[in-house]
Amino acid sequence: LAKTTQPISMDSYEGQEVNITCSHNNIATNDYITWYQQFPSQGPRFIIQGYKTKVTNEVASLFIPADRKSSTLSLPRVSLSDTAVYYCLVGDYDYKLSFGAGTTVTVRA
Amino acid sequence: EAQVTQNPRYLITVTGKKLTVTCSQNMNHEYMSWYRQDPGLGLRQIYYSMNVEVTDKGDVPEGYKVSRKEKRNFPLILESPSPNQTSLYFCASRRTGDDEKLFFGSGTQLSVL
Repeated sequence: LAKTTQPISMDSYEGQEVNITCSHNNIATNDYITWYQQFPSQGPRFIIQGYKTKVTNEVASLFIPADRKSSTLSLPRVSLSDTAVYYCLVGDYDYKLSFGAGTTVTVRA
Repeated sequence: EAQVTQNPRYLITVTGKKLTVTCSQNMNHEYMSWYRQDPGLGLRQIYYSMNVEVTDKGDVPEGYKVSRKEKRNFPLILESPSPNQTSLYFCASRRTGDDEKLFFGSGTQLSVL
């Protein structure tokens, strides 16, 4: 399982765009990149997943450069309710999945 | 509704008293897993199961047991709990496949006194 590195924390204000970059230098050819969001005392929930280039859904965008050694989760126009921990997970799902500490995003009014 | 159900939501026990945390999913997922979450350490995998009767250790299996006798259930067993097992526990499941996503339960907050 490719090791990932992401910032411990990020602060933002309502209405701003938040970009969280995850490094995964040892990503394997068939690995997908998946991001999860976790609110306090709740289980993580899936946000977005990609393999290469750009993926967009109603919640976020995921940018993956050609070398796939990093990825950036973009949260457009954040609100207070986007305050959460965000986890980057890389793996071809050979099933030992640990999430690490994630990035704590704090959105202020 | 598709979901992963954990019980109990909160549990307070004493050192050495055996306990079981149940986990059940209604999505016919082959893969199930247990995690513990501690401040500053993120989610760490305890055990996982690829299918019925197939289980394997995650990163922090010491002091825990699991069983997978049925596809939908994956209980976590602490035969002799200790205070260092005080933590927030999550069960998760998913289908097998490269692009499948995990579905998590609501968590079990365990305190071992």
